[in-house]
Amino acid sequence: KAGVTQTPRYLIKTRGQQVTLSCSPISGHRSVSWYQQTPGQGLQFLFEYFSETQRNKGNFPGRFSGRQFSNSRSEMNVSTLELGDSALYLCASSFLDSRTFNEKLFFGSGTQLSVL
Amino acid sequence: QKEVEQNSGPLSVPEGAIASLNCTYSDRGSQSFFWYRQYSGKSPELIMSIYSNGDKEDGRFTAQLNKASQYVSLLIRDSQPSDSATYLCAVRSNDYKLSFGAGTTVTVRA
Repeated sequence: KAGVTQTPRYLIKTRGQQVTLSCSPISGHRSVSWYQQTPGQGLQFLFEYFSETQRNKGNFPGRFSGRQFSNSRSEMNVSTLELGDSALYLCASSFLDSRTFNEKLFFGSGTQLSVL
Repeated sequence: QKEVEQNSGPLSVPEGAIASLNCTYSDRGSQSFFWYRQYSGKSPELIMSIYSNGDKEDGRFTAQLNKASQYVSLLIRDSQPSDSATYLCAVRSNDYKLSFGAGTTVTVRA
């Protein structure tokens, strides 16, 4: 089974530009969440989508937005980029094991965004 | 107060020793607790999940949960050099947000 796929792997942008990152979850997973990882702040939750609906949102400004499509693929958009947006953006897909009721979250390799 | 706090480390242990990692959380209503391992330059991978008080063992890993103390820990027995990584504690709170601690970097000395 293919894992979580994120594209692109690396991205360089300049301040003020906008960027769109893509995430394809593991087949059958309906929940997709996004995280920002930086050396100083660690892993911070951005938002989570389930069946095309935003289920939860972290404490990030409105410049950060996302959506999920009917095939569970998700995109994240950051507008008016700032230097501080430079980070590794990780997408994760998850499912609830119906037998054990254990949740399993799988991360993609991430998109490394550099804002110059 | 941060939602999830971990002992800052780094933690250096000799090969074969026990590595002990600690984590506290602020939301008393949290129900799901996870430990992830992240190798340098890689994405996090799930090691253990624990949902009820007590111990849960999986191979050389043991997770311990104490909801009254809002505390969860991870023990790595018989530590191997391949266990050298950053370990992230994650807690799913009552509002269903998944919050991560800053991570503890473990180095196992051969």
